[in-house]
Amino acid sequence: ETGVTQSPTHLIKTRGQQVTLRCSSQSGHNTVSWYQQALGQGPQFIFQYYREEENGRGNFPPRFSGLQFPNYSSELNVNALELDDSALYLCASSTGGVGEIEGYTFGSGTRLTVV
Amino acid sequence: AQSVTQLDSQVPVFEEAPVELRCNYSSSVSVYLFWYVQYPNQGLQLLLKYLSGSTLVESINGFEAEFNKSQTSFHLRKPSVHISDTAEYFCAVTSNTGNQFYFGTGTSLTVIP
Repeated sequence: ETGVTQSPTHLIKTRGQQVTLRCSSQSGHNTVSWYQQALGQGPQFIFQYYREEENGRGNFPPRFSGLQFPNYSSELNVNALELDDSALYLCASSTGGVGEIEGYTFGSGTRLTVV
Repeated sequence: AQSVTQLDSQVPVFEEAPVELRCNYSSSVSVYLFWYVQYPNQGLQLLLKYLSGSTLVESINGFEAEFNKSQTSFHLRKPSVHISDTAEYFCAVTSNTGNQFYFGTGTSLTVIP
């Protein structure tokens, strides 16, 4: 039990469609980050939210967007899916605020396949 | 920005033998270093971290890593591996001014009976 739950675990979408991935963090985890892990690669930072505000973004296009809610849940939305978006998407949360360094708790991820 | 290089993509080792997984980082600011482990079809689990203080850090399951600032390294070691240590290991770096982790490409550790 990691305390971070992601849904769905697996998903197949068609190129051009839109997808929403969900993450539920532990109470008190005010910081949530999303990572994309392509096959055989390390995770790549998409963006981070702190207390419902975006707090940094990696090198991903605007069609990747997110939301964080007061109940410690969050969403990753991807529009106009491309084949290269196929990957494991990881949600990670921590109690650390801006400037605080803590090890993140990762969820088990959502495996997205775009066909 | 920071970056991480994991020099070995695959490391096979016999059970009860020692192992070292190498990690080098690049950064222009002070860093914090982490090792994560990923078992098949699972997310990442924190193995150990260096934030400050003693440069040698240990995990509860026998792994240790040493922060070497002059060599910009944070190699992971275990004196005697078990079958259950078979997994993907990721080294990661961040800084106190940053908000993201930079991960290496991972090292697949396979323990051979």
